[in-house]
Amino acid sequence: DVKVTQSSRYLVKRTGEKVFLECVQDMDHENMFWYRQDPGLGLRLIYFSYDVKMKEKGDIPEGYSVSREKKERFSLILESASTNQTSMYLCASSLWGVRDTEAFFGQGTRLTVV
Amino acid sequence: GDSVTQMEGPVTLSEEAFLTINCTYTATGYPSLFWYVQYPGEGLQLLLKATKADDKGSNKGFEATYRKETTSFHLEKGSVQVSDSAVYFCALSEGAGSYQLTFGKGTKLSVIP
Repeated sequence: DVKVTQSSRYLVKRTGEKVFLECVQDMDHENMFWYRQDPGLGLRLIYFSYDVKMKEKGDIPEGYSVSREKKERFSLILESASTNQTSMYLCASSLWGVRDTEAFFGQGTRLTVV
Repeated sequence: GDSVTQMEGPVTLSEEAFLTINCTYTATGYPSLFWYVQYPGEGLQLLLKATKADDKGSNKGFEATYRKETTSFHLEKGSVQVSDSAVYFCALSEGAGSYQLTFGKGTKLSVIP
């Protein structure tokens, strides 16, 4: 059974903390993505990566960074958490170069910044 | 840039009712189109897809047809069940290589017995 696993389902962090969200996939996919999901706004792409050590900005990268040191792992970093980063974060992976490729999603991490 | 517009929710239907969720898109090229579903407490999963004009994607009784002339990909099901209660997202992908998805805002469906 293919899997994308996010390290935490729920996180509560304080304003100003550095926060790491971890995502691991076991499908040997080249592409990995981080989205945030907010009511009324749907899913918005934060960053994606198509290879180890490669990263590309999505639609809303401000306040975030990412790290991809190994193919199976993609980390989202909030350098200094703020209350407006309270959200559901979803990680996904897919095959590179396949036009109608399916994206596989993790279960999400609900982050609350207080 | 690319965008996807889908009907606002929430939508509440009785069991065995007919479902339509409208989706239209704007794209610079020739995108692939998708419907993803998110059940309560879970991540998204692919429901169906279509890659070229007039293609029909289908799965679990749901259908959607790629209409290039109207830039639409409406989701339909003839008889919904309580277990279909979820949030439905229309999405497109285009470009090269990573084919990242652009999503609509989602439509929450509740089916009551």
